[in-house]
Amino acid sequence: DAGVIQSPRHEVTEMGQEVTLRCKPISGHNSLFWYRQTMMRGLELLIYFNNNVPIDDSGMPEDRFSAKMPNASFSTLKIQPSEPRDSAVYFCASKPGLQKPGELFFGEGSRLTVL
Amino acid sequence: EDKVVQSPLSLVVHEGDTVTLNCSYEVTNFRSLLWYKQEKKAPTFLFMLTSSGIEKKSGRLSSILDKKELFSILNITATQTGDSAIYLCAENSGGSNYKLTFGKGTLLTVNP
Repeated sequence: DAGVIQSPRHEVTEMGQEVTLRCKPISGHNSLFWYRQTMMRGLELLIYFNNNVPIDDSGMPEDRFSAKMPNASFSTLKIQPSEPRDSAVYFCASKPGLQKPGELFFGEGSRLTVL
Repeated sequence: EDKVVQSPLSLVVHEGDTVTLNCSYEVTNFRSLLWYKQEKKAPTFLFMLTSSGIEKKSGRLSSILDKKELFSILNITATQTGDSAIYLCAENSGGSNYKLTFGKGTLLTVNP
C-alpha cells in the first residue's frame, strides 16, 4: 500500500495568494483528517471527514480555510487568501473506521511558508 | 489551556541510556491515550492505552497508563541514535471517538 499521499511537499507563497493542498488517503479508509502542526500549538485537528462528508470542522481557524472531499480517494485543503501566520506543516491522515481512534496513518505533510 | 502536557520538552542522552517520557492529561469521558513517534516526516503510531496498569511493549519501547493519576509514561531502554525523534502523546476523550488532542511532544536526541 502506498500510504497517505500528500502534495505538494513544500510550498512557498506570498501573502494573499491562494494555496491548495491535496491528499489521497489509503484505499479503503473511510475517515480522513486534516491536521496542522506548528511549534507553538503542536498538532491541531482542522477538519474530519467520514465517508466523504465533513463531520467536524470546528478546528478550521477561519473562513479563509476550506476543505473538500469530492470522493473517497481525494481531499483538498484550501487557504484563500493566505497569511504569514498560516505557515505550518499540514498533515492529512486516514483510518479505516470510526469505532476507536486507534491508529491514524499520516501522510508526510505539506510544509507551507507564507511570506 | 493545554489538555495534554508532555515533559520534558526536550532531552539529550547518550546511546545506551534509558529514558522516560511523561504525558499528563485532563479527562472528560476518557477513551484512550496514544503515543506516536515523529521523525522528520509523518507521525507513526506506537501504542494505544485504554486500561490502567497494563504495560504495552514493543522491543525496547514500553508504555503504561495510570488512569487514577491521569498520566502515561513511555520508556525506551538501551537507546539508539535511531530513536532520535519527537514523541507525541494524544488523548481521546469527550463526546467523540475520533478526535485526538495532541501534546506538543518531547524532542529526544540520542548522541552516539
